[in-house]
Amino acid sequence: SVLTQPPSVSAAPGQNVTISCAGSSSNIGKNYVSWYQQLPGTAPKLLIYDNIKRPSGIPDRFSGSESGTSATLGITGLQTGDEADYYCGTWDSSLSAVVFGGGTKLTVL
Amino acid sequence: EVQLVESGGGLVQPGGSLKLSCTASGFTFNSHEINWVRQAPGKGLEWVSYTRSSGATIYYADSVKGRFTISRDTARNSLYLQMNRLRAEDTAVYYCARQSAGSYYPSFDYWGQGTLVTVSS
Repeated sequence: SVLTQPPSVSAAPGQNVTISCAGSSSNIGKNYVSWYQQLPGTAPKLLIYDNIKRPSGIPDRFSGSESGTSATLGITGLQTGDEADYYCGTWDSSLSAVVFGGGTKLTVL
Repeated sequence: EVQLVESGGGLVQPGGSLKLSCTASGFTFNSHEINWVRQAPGKGLEWVSYTRSSGATIYYADSVKGRFTISRDTARNSLYLQMNRLRAEDTAVYYCARQSAGSYYPSFDYWGQGTLVTVSS
């Protein structure tokens, strides 16, 4: 994938976790990032857009940040219901295409 | 309530064609750009195509360029994906996803339930 995410992360309930998304100057370096949560067997759900904004209904336990050519999704106070795959996405100006990270599987132990 | 409903998936032989539909309701269709995103079994998300609400701007992923055609019918509140010369690697669940108005692209705020396309002999 053009964007690089860790394949998996894990943490205990109540703990905090971050998921990184590494890109380049042609994508994250000049465009905005969105994050998606995909629960098993369901369609993706928008969690974060415009790097840091949360759609209505998304709890403030979820946060986004961006620095240079990387972005990060933060989740605080982990719950078992947060177990899902998480994807970052952005526009790549060189490819003229939307690019996604390979996805990160979050396990809440 | 915003809804996107895909249809048209199924089993097709390599080299064959299929046309997917995405019917929208609950919002002003002309006010939003719509995308196709696919997910191969057990794999991650792959963006396929985008059309601006006017239809004037269209983008495709390199993997489908020259084989797939996106179109929209405002009167029917529908988006289509004509898929030709299908390959085994096109096997995936195909989602239509709405771009959030007023947000930077991509911000896909509503997704359909997906339709499965299987390319196999």
